[in-house]
Amino acid sequence: DAGVTQSPTHLIKTRGQQVTLRCSPKSGHDTVSWYQQALGQGPQFIFQYYEEEERQRGNFPDRFSGHQFPNYSSELNVNALLLGDSALYLCASSRRGTTSYEQYFGPGTRLTVT
Amino acid sequence: KNQVEQSPQSLIILEGKNCTLQCNYTVSPFSNLRWYKQDTGRGPVSLTIMTFSENTKSNGRYTATLDADTKQSSLHITASQLSDSASYICVVSAAKSSASKIIFGSGTRLSIRP
Repeated sequence: DAGVTQSPTHLIKTRGQQVTLRCSPKSGHDTVSWYQQALGQGPQFIFQYYEEEERQRGNFPDRFSGHQFPNYSSELNVNALLLGDSALYLCASSRRGTTSYEQYFGPGTRLTVT
Repeated sequence: KNQVEQSPQSLIILEGKNCTLQCNYTVSPFSNLRWYKQDTGRGPVSLTIMTFSENTKSNGRYTATLDADTKQSSLHITASQLSDSASYICVVSAAKSSASKIIFGSGTRLSIRP
């Protein structure tokens, strides 16, 4: 039973560029949440996808967008990268998007913006 | 304002010793509290989940307590091992159906010395 997977593991981008991060949820899960975790801080909620639509959003600018595919996998897109976007991006999956009980995290993607 | 505060920020103990990490929250209405272990650069892994009616929950050498009246939780680690070196994050959910109401603490960085 595969857990949550994310790709790539590490990524280095230049300011102003765009980046796409990918996430495959745990088997049986249909909801994906994305978090940004700066060094030494707790994860900050970006948004959640369920049934291919953004259902909830945290306090992040429109430069952060996402998508969910029919197979429940998801992408996080960040446009016009800023140095402050450097962080560990975590994907968490759950079932039916209604509870944090069954939220499982992936290993994360480390994004460095130079 | 919904907040989760953890203490201490960092802790160093000798292998084999016990330790206790603290979590205070002001999240309301309370749904559940979760302790995660996060190795450096990796995704968080759930240790315990506690609801309003639960006072204590154990997972091997990890024991979490919850006092819903004082809005405090603790995570006690017994007979620490080198592999316990990690960040421990307290997460409180305000509502079961809202991902944006999941509040993360900044974590306690625990280092175990041989």
